[in-house]
Amino acid sequence: DVQVVESGGGLVKPGGSLRLHCTVSGLIFSNFTMNWVRQGPGKGLQWVSSISLGGSYISYADSLKGRFTTSRDNAKNSLFLQMNSLEAEDTGVYYCSAEYFYDGRGVDYWGQGALVTVSS
Amino acid sequence: SYELTQPPSVSVSPGQTARITCSGDALSKKYAFWYQQKSGQAPLLVMFEDTKRPSGIPERFSGSSSGTMATLTIRGAQAEDEGDYYCYSTDSSGNQRVFGGGTRLTVL
Repeated sequence: DVQVVESGGGLVKPGGSLRLHCTVSGLIFSNFTMNWVRQGPGKGLQWVSSISLGGSYISYADSLKGRFTTSRDNAKNSLFLQMNSLEAEDTGVYYCSAEYFYDGRGVDYWGQGALVTVSS
Repeated sequence: SYELTQPPSVSVSPGQTARITCSGDALSKKYAFWYQQKSGQAPLLVMFEDTKRPSGIPERFSGSSSGTMATLTIRGAQAEDEGDYYCYSTDSSGNQRVFGGGTRLTVL
């Protein structure tokens, strides 16, 4: 079975930093595009970032203004999200997802999310 | 910034057909994906590349796209289909992914 597990969430003061970690098992990690998606309290889904198979192409939501950095370590089946200069509006559940959409086949796997709370 | 527009809510009786729309300028060139989310759960992919149904998703779910609008159709909606539905796509450059605002589906 595929498992996607996020960790590293918690309470942080405005202006602080946090690093989220996502580990994936049960699939060939290097074959999957990886994503971060967040959801504020009572709000809809918001795409945060995507990283290509080898990590050479990374895209971010324009609204993040360069505060977040995504990386991956294929040798350790891991995805990371470094979040700096955190604001109250960054509060929410952060989901990690692995996607494979090629040649008419499509599958994706999501974790249960990591809660990030930005508050003084 | 690019936006996808969905109706806030759709309500149908059990057994009826529910249609959830998603409009965006780039949808004529980019695929739409659809997710179902139930309270307290992670999103579940129910449609990809406009019309393709992932393994395990019931046949009553179907997707279509025409011009700048994508539609998720649920024929014979059941109580278990209640939840929030989000469309997902990219802007015309392909660099920015975006979710629609979500549609709350009620079946009662």
